[in-house]
Amino acid sequence: AQTVTQSQPEMSVQEAETVTLSCTYDTSESNYYLFWYKQPPSRQMILVIRQEAYKQQNATENRFSVNFQKAAKSFSLKISDSQLGDTAMYFCAFMNPRAQKLVFGQGTRLTINP
Amino acid sequence: EAQVTQNPRYLITVTGKKLTVTCSQNMNHEYMSWYRQDPGLGLRQIYYSMNVEVTDKGDVPEGYKVSRKEKRNFPLILESPSPNQTSLYFCASSLAGGYNEQFFGPGTRLTVL
Repeated sequence: AQTVTQSQPEMSVQEAETVTLSCTYDTSESNYYLFWYKQPPSRQMILVIRQEAYKQQNATENRFSVNFQKAAKSFSLKISDSQLGDTAMYFCAFMNPRAQKLVFGQGTRLTINP
Repeated sequence: EAQVTQNPRYLITVTGKKLTVTCSQNMNHEYMSWYRQDPGLGLRQIYYSMNVEVTDKGDVPEGYKVSRKEKRNFPLILESPSPNQTSLYFCASSLAGGYNEQFFGPGTRLTVL
């Protein structure tokens, strides 16, 4: 079974700093998808960024980028120029397209301080 | 507006009293899923559905039932709720295929006394 691990339960940085959230996963599949979701205090789940495993190029979305290391089974999220609105719980997630099951990590609570 | 709706948003009930949490999407998505969120555990999948009349168990299906009689609706049924089912529940939908974004409902906070 696939597992996703986020080893940082909480993180805190100052506004405008860069922060990296860690995520590792375990799978024997060669084709899969990885996601980062954001959950602000409103509880709404919002997709931040996604990566296809067969693409070597790291995905980027404005201030958000990932460092995808397939051999190491690592998928970290980098937030540049952090903003107060980035304060949220962040979840890493893994999707095996054959099983159609989305597996989430435990989450990292990120606080951006003014 | 494209959205996933859940009702109720909050529910307090007692052990053993059957309840249904409704989920509806207006995006014509084939795939729908239910998750529960608990502190320190992230979100765990309860059941999912690839299309009408096609459902399958996720990682924590015990104590839950689902049905998919219509494409837009995917209700979650707790026939005999117990306190360990106290949780935050999310419904989500997406187009078929693993790379597609899952759109989440606003969540249902359930407390079972």
